[in-house]
Amino acid sequence: AQKVTQAQTEISVVEKEDVTLDCVYETRDTTYYLFWYKQPPSGELVFLIRRNSFDEQNEISGRYSWNFQKSTSSFNFTITASQVVDSAVYFCALSEAQRGNTPLVFGKGTRLSVIA
Amino acid sequence: DTAVSQTPKYLVTQMGNDKSIKCEQNLGHDTMYWYKQDSKKFLKIMFSYNNKELIINETVPNRFSPKSPDKAHLNLHINSLELGDSAVYFCASSQNRGYTEAFFGQGTRLTVV
Repeated sequence: AQKVTQAQTEISVVEKEDVTLDCVYETRDTTYYLFWYKQPPSGELVFLIRRNSFDEQNEISGRYSWNFQKSTSSFNFTITASQVVDSAVYFCALSEAQRGNTPLVFGKGTRLSVIA
Repeated sequence: DTAVSQTPKYLVTQMGNDKSIKCEQNLGHDTMYWYKQDSKKFLKIMFSYNNKELIINETVPNRFSPKSPDKAHLNLHINSLELGDSAVYFCASSQNRGYTEAFFGQGTRLTVV
């Protein structure tokens, strides 16, 4: 069965600090997709990144970077030089593509508070 | 233009009432979903529709009945509302390929009193 674990329930950092949000997943499929979503205080869910199981290349987008390691079943998310606007709940999610159009299975989220 | 829109954004109602939440997507996606987010922010799939056909129903009470008149719309009707139904309900859509991201509506905060 598929499962996503975000062990960090809440993280608080001071502005300009770097912060890493952990995500560990479980799946029996060899083909799967991993995602990160952001939910700011306004409540909407914002897509950040998708990664497929065959692509372990790390990705950087501005202050955001993602580290995917199949050996440890982890897909961690780092925010560099955090800003107050980064305060949100961040969700990691998994989709097992081989079963067709499967819905996302979400972790329980990590609430990030960035203090000015 | 809003990609996935759901109405209403807020819904306050009494126990025992019947209510509906509407969802529309203009992305041309084949698959639509309803997710429930509880008070602890946990997001869980309720239903998944592909081209108007129900493909996933995740142990949801039969008081919840989704209806998809066409592939751009997926409405959620809830009968005999209970206090425990209070949550935020999100509609989402994605391409029918399993590997694409889902786009979410802004959510409907349902409060049952």
